[in-house]
Amino acid sequence: QIQLVQSGPELKKPGESVKISCKASGYTFTDYAMNWVKQAPGNGLKWMGWINTQTGKPTYADDFKQRFVFSLETSASTAYLQINNLNIEDTATYFCTRWAAADFDYWGQGVMVTVSS
Amino acid sequence: DIQMTQSPPVLSASVGDRVTLSCKASQNINKNLDWYQQKHGEAPKLLIYYTNNLQTGIPSRFSGSGSGTDYTLTISSLQPEDVATYYCYQYNSGYTFGAGTKLELK
Repeated sequence: QIQLVQSGPELKKPGESVKISCKASGYTFTDYAMNWVKQAPGNGLKWMGWINTQTGKPTYADDFKQRFVFSLETSASTAYLQINNLNIEDTATYFCTRWAAADFDYWGQGVMVTVSS
Repeated sequence: DIQMTQSPPVLSASVGDRVTLSCKASQNINKNLDWYQQKHGEAPKLLIYYTNNLQTGIPSRFSGSGSGTDYTLTISSLQPEDVATYYCYQYNSGYTFGAGTKLELK
């Protein structure tokens, strides 16, 4: 069955970096783009952008162009989200989600990133 | 950017009720709208795509409708397992989620 399995929770200090993973299984990884969605505590969903799993080209939403990096390890069917120079406002759950046409049909379980001094 | 406004923010209803959730776009989104359900502590789940298409495995009590700027998610007979926050999402121009409607049991 199709699964997106994300890495575990992270506790970081301001200024540090974090890299979280999203391992896909049950389908051909390069057939579908991968998106990232942020959910701050008690808040709604915010689309961060997507990465073309065939070319590796990332596209970032306006609020996520500066410190955020999407990458792939295609041989391992894994997508990554790296956040540099973390600040308190980055405290959130980050979801990877598969893009089927324009719909997010499968989601990872989410990774809670906590930024605290 | 297209803004998506969901109403009401919180809805209390009883088991068996017919429930209607609304989503209004700041401009015409040409039916390019999905609905997602998020239960507490879980990832969102796709319910409805392209306004009125039921995702595989979703109960038929869920339905979607709308056009232009106004869209609706209807639950024909509310069940206890439907307690969740529901988000609309547009992909007509950019990609935007609404703020959600939290559905509670009365």
